[in-house]
Amino acid sequence: GAGVSQSPSNKVTEKGKDVELRCDPISGHTALYWYRQRLGQGLEFLIYFQGNSAPDKSGLPSDRFSAERTGGSVSTLTIQRTQQEDSAVYLCASSLARSYSPLHFGNGTRLTVT
Amino acid sequence: AQSVTQLDSQVPVFEEAPVELRCNYSSSVSVYLFWYVQYPNQGLQLLLKYLSGSTLVKGINGFEAEFNKSQTSFHLRKPSVHISDTAEYFCAVISGGSYIPTFGRGTSLIVHP
Repeated sequence: GAGVSQSPSNKVTEKGKDVELRCDPISGHTALYWYRQRLGQGLEFLIYFQGNSAPDKSGLPSDRFSAERTGGSVSTLTIQRTQQEDSAVYLCASSLARSYSPLHFGNGTRLTVT
Repeated sequence: AQSVTQLDSQVPVFEEAPVELRCNYSSSVSVYLFWYVQYPNQGLQLLLKYLSGSTLVKGINGFEAEFNKSQTSFHLRKPSVHISDTAEYFCAVISGGSYIPTFGRGTSLIVHP
């Protein structure tokens, strides 16, 4: 079956512009995660959605970052007024709603802020 | 908060040699442990996982890992590596009833011919 799909695969934007990153999870996966991977660093948790529950936003680095998940499926991560330090690969993952379920990752969106 | 330490940022090794990639985590009552692999220009995929039971778990591509509760470690091993094993390897831990895995910084395995 289809895996996690992310778009765009690459995004170059100017400092100060807003960007939207999209994630289409695996059908039937109720849990959805966003992580950030900066060059040479590990995965940094951003936000977690589970079904209709309120999302866990504890990893969002600033109020310029927001995310939503519509209809329990597609998710959009929005970064407003982008800064150079936002340059990174943004990874989306989905899983079944069990703590021992592995995550299924998309290929990521590489964001470059110039 | 849970933390995961991957002690080696880069591990160079010759083809057909054995390899061990180290992972330590901060102590917790109960944990689920995972290793993920990221091949060049691809997304992360699950290599193996420890949930309970036998402390030695086997994964895909001949990899295995051993859970050591007393040392809070979950080191990844392979007795003989191939060029195709060149990739970034990430250790991840879920603990304390959380649903959010904490990842290590990753170890780049570089296999030379």
